[in-house]
Order: sequence, then C-alpha cells, then structure tokens
Amino acid sequence: QVQLQESGPGLVKPSETLSLTCTVSGVSITTYYWSWIRQPPGKGLEWIGFFYYSGSTNYNPSLKSRVTISLDTSKNQFSLKLSSVTAADTAVYYCARDMGATIFDYWGRGTLVTVSS
Amino acid sequence: EIVMTQSPVTLSVSPGERATLSCRASQSVSSNLAWYQRKPGQAPRLLIYGASTRATGVPPRFSGSGSGTDFTLTISSLQSEDFAVYYCQQYINWPTFGGGTKVEI
Repeated sequence: QVQLQESGPGLVKPSETLSLTCTVSGVSITTYYWSWIRQPPGKGLEWIGFFYYSGSTNYNPSLKSRVTISLDTSKNQFSLKLSSVTAADTAVYYCARDMGATIFDYWGRGTLVTVSS
Repeated sequence: EIVMTQSPVTLSVSPGERATLSCRASQSVSSNLAWYQRKPGQAPRLLIYGASTRATGVPPRFSGSGSGTDFTLTISSLQSEDFAVYYCQQYINWPTFGGGTKVEI
C-alpha cells in the first residue's frame, strides 16, 4: 500500500533553511503530484506547494519566494526547502500525494519542526 | 485566497448519534470541496472529494453534500473510531483548509 514518511531536523535556527524529506513507498513518485502541507500550533492547515516529476511546480503565493520542492527519483523521495525561517514557520509538516486537482489521498503522519535559537 | 470556515469548532455527540459538520467558503468553489479526518498520531485520511464522492474504503455512514459556498459532512451513526478532527478543503484554485471541527464524546 502507499505510505509516506517525513524526516528531517526537528529544530532549525531562525534565518536558516528548513529541509525535510518524504520517503514514498508503494508507488513511484514519477506518477502523481506530490505536496507539502503544514499546520502551525493552534492554527489551520496550510498548503505549501506541489511538484510533478516533469518539473511542474506550484507554490502557495504567500510562501513562494522561500520554497523549493524537488524530487529524487532514484530514492523515491521528494524534499522541501524553506529558507529564511522564523518562529512563524514552526509547524507540523506533512507530505501528501495529490490524486489530482490538489486532492490529497495519502498523507504522512507529520513531523514537528520548531524554529528557535 | 478563499477562506474556509467550519462550524462548530467542537461537536459533542454520543456513539450511535448523527453528526452534522458545516463548512462555508468565502466565495463559490462549485463542487471542488474535500473532507479529511485526522486522529492523533495518525496521517490525515481523505473521506470525501467532489463535495459528495466517498474516497476508496470510506464507509457509507460518511456522506457529503453542498455546492457553491455551503457544504455539509454527515456521519449518520457515530462509531467510536469516528471521534477525530475533520477538515474541509477547497481546490478550485490554490488549496485552502478550514480550521477544523473536533468531534468528541
């Protein structure tokens, strides 16, 4: 079955770059679109962006200047980089498969990233 | 940005009862509306898309309705495993989510 697992540092310093990886099993990442979604403490879910293996990307306009999503097909993984982080970027970060039209049918369990010095 | 508003924030119900959750969009999203369930420590689960189409493996006690700006998720007879937080999400343009409704005993 399809499974997604987020990994990466749980603590990032302000102004640095947050880097997370999502390892996908049960399906090739050369199919479907792949997204990152986050939820800050006490707030709602926020879509960050998606990547398709052809190179097509789309990002949340509010984060676009700081976000890069990429794929590593050799490892069946995709990654998130968020630059110049602040405390406002503290959140649980989820990776998800987009079955089409940004409908997310498989998610990881999420990983908490705290931005603090 | 399309703002999604869910109500109530918390819904207290008993097993076997019917639960009705509401979601309102700040502008029309047609039928481009999905519902998700999230339990602590688990990955969120897609329940409904296209406002009323159940995702694979979702029991028929879950049903979605509505179009335009007003949507409803109904759980016809709550089971113990249904106590969770539910989110709506529009996808007519870049996706946005509601703040969630917690269904508790």
